[in-house]
Amino acid sequence: GDSVTQTEGQVALSEEDFLTIHCNYSASGYPTLFWYVQYPGEGPQLLFRASRDKEKGSSRGFEATYDKGTTSFHLRKASVQESDSAVYYCALSDQPGANTGKLTFGHGTILRVHP
Amino acid sequence: GGIITQTPKFLIGQEGQKLTLKCQQNFNHDTMYWYRQDSGKGLRLIYYSITENDLQKGDLSEGYDASREKKSSFSLTVTSAQKNEMAVFLCASSIDRRSGNTLYFGEGSRLIVV
Repeated sequence: GDSVTQTEGQVALSEEDFLTIHCNYSASGYPTLFWYVQYPGEGPQLLFRASRDKEKGSSRGFEATYDKGTTSFHLRKASVQESDSAVYYCALSDQPGANTGKLTFGHGTILRVHP
Repeated sequence: GGIITQTPKFLIGQEGQKLTLKCQQNFNHDTMYWYRQDSGKGLRLIYYSITENDLQKGDLSEGYDASREKKSSFSLTVTSAQKNEMAVFLCASSIDRRSGNTLYFGEGSRLIVV
């Protein structure tokens, strides 16, 4: 079945550091890829998504590029802030035409940014 | 905009007890989902519903029942609570069941089994 692997379980950075969270997926066909962010006490919310090979998604200074060749969708930010501290989830959709709308999530990465 | 409301925020029950979580959405979305969130394990799908009175099992449906009696609400029942089931349960909705749609989540309900 489909799966998503996030390499980092926890990341600790200082403000203005560069962030990379690695996400690799396994799926047949052409799923849509997502990054969701979850702040303390809240539910996950969409950060951005990408549907085609080489498409770049971005929001709030975060970005990721859909790479079908390496089956990756790594999250990057050039300069993190303390307010970016949250849990980040990579996810993929079911196949176009499967008509369930459900997502498969990675295990999540806890990001802590220190002032 | 819309909102997803989950009740209760904390649900405390005893082992073996039947416990129910409720979810309401005012987006007028067709599809609703229940996910379980465990630390280090991410979000795993329990049940989903593509329309009123429809129910579809997810990967983690054993030990759970669900009910979608109207479009705006989706309930999840833990049929016999166990201590290893303590987790956060997240309700979500999307406009319809097409692949690639955004899911909108509630704030979650934490289950505590004593």
